[in-house]
Amino acid sequence: GESVGLHLPTLSVQEGDNSIINCAYSNSASDYFIWYKQESGKGPQFIIDIRSNMDKRQGQRVTVLLNKTVKHLSLQIAATQPGDSAVYFCAENRRGSGNTGKLIFGQGTTLQVKP
Amino acid sequence: GAVVSQHPSRVICKSGTSVKIECRSLDFQATTMFWYRQFPKQSLMLMATSNEGSKATYEQGVEKDKFLINHASLTLSTLTVTSAHPEDSSFYICSAGGGAFQETQYFGPGTRLLVL
Repeated sequence: GESVGLHLPTLSVQEGDNSIINCAYSNSASDYFIWYKQESGKGPQFIIDIRSNMDKRQGQRVTVLLNKTVKHLSLQIAATQPGDSAVYFCAENRRGSGNTGKLIFGQGTTLQVKP
Repeated sequence: GAVVSQHPSRVICKSGTSVKIECRSLDFQATTMFWYRQFPKQSLMLMATSNEGSKATYEQGVEKDKFLINHASLTLSTLTVTSAHPEDSSFYICSAGGGAFQETQYFGPGTRLLVL
């Protein structure tokens, strides 16, 4: 069935290194993707989004790359810090009847930052 | 970004009682709100989509008579867990979208429900 999934459940990186979190999606008609960060006991926090007419988008220390050919999404975090430790979810927005469609979440990748 | 609040942040109740959770968009008008539940170490599971002034749309397998959703205004949606049982214990999270934020959903901090 259609799904959004993540390749690795846990990623461990050294503080200061760059982190790359990957996500695969299966619905080629999806046109909007979001990365969220969720810390323990809290709600997901919006990080960055990208539309399907873009290949790359940059934010503060984060970059999202979209490869529509292979239906792959990645989140790159530069100079990873201990505060980046969290679970990261990619989400695919599938438009419903209105402007705000449902979000389909991947299973999540736990990022562990070692000091 | 938009700010979404939830109340209460955690609640403990006895089996058979009902619990109401509020979700508010504080700085924008949310035409659509979503309710999710999340079990430990798992992803978010969408329960229902709520549009202001209309009935909620429930996902397959979610009992609409058990999880009552009301979206009476553009800034408030409520989820009532009726006759709660221990298996309803979970982390409930709402999100809001629409208005100035067409496709992006912003999430509340979540409500931890424990049914004894």
